[in-house]
Amino acid sequence: GQQVMQIPQYQHVQEGEDFTTYCNSSTTLSNIQWYKQRPGGHPVFLIQLVKSGEVKKQKRLTFQFGEAKKNSSLHITATQTTDVGTYFCVTPAYGGSQGNLIFGKGTKLSVKP
Amino acid sequence: DTAVSQTPKYLVTQMGNDKSIKCEQNLGHDTMYWYKQDSKKFLKIMFSYNNKELIINETVPNRFSPKSPDKAHLNLHINSLELGDSAVYFCASSQGILAFFGQGTRLTVV
Repeated sequence: GQQVMQIPQYQHVQEGEDFTTYCNSSTTLSNIQWYKQRPGGHPVFLIQLVKSGEVKKQKRLTFQFGEAKKNSSLHITATQTTDVGTYFCVTPAYGGSQGNLIFGKGTKLSVKP
Repeated sequence: DTAVSQTPKYLVTQMGNDKSIKCEQNLGHDTMYWYKQDSKKFLKIMFSYNNKELIINETVPNRFSPKSPDKAHLNLHINSLELGDSAVYFCASSQGILAFFGQGTRLTVV
């Protein structure tokens, strides 16, 4: 079935350093979403990317969707301890807006103060 | 008001028992899901339920069965619990673009 590969699995950074997680698919994606799960919490929607080459920003977070719509990245500038958590890229299983949402394996970010 | 609520939050039970986890959403969404998150934090889709259409992940044992009495509820029933069923189970709902998750139910089978 359709799946997305996410790397790295873990990332440890010093507070103030940048962080990037990458998501890759072997097939073209209709859209890609990003979720964040804080320790002990539940996944929370961050953003959706739909267009080829799309770039969206949320404060220190920058999300990109590749030109071929097969990869995506999330970059955090100057990490803070509040950024700690697991970041998941997510794609619809059937290429549309409905159907199962398939999660990547996530990147667990830890930030050392 | 909590958008997606699931109960109980914690569940400890013995092997072989049957248990249910309840989920309710007040968002009016058409699609509801159950996900299992293992100790490595991998989130795996178990079921999605949309307008009475059930989509099952073929890797889910048939001991797991979703039950939807109405559009706002999707309960998860588990028969003959096994040690490997220990995990956090998340309910979610969506209306197209994004999913809202419940707080999770931590199931421990002893």
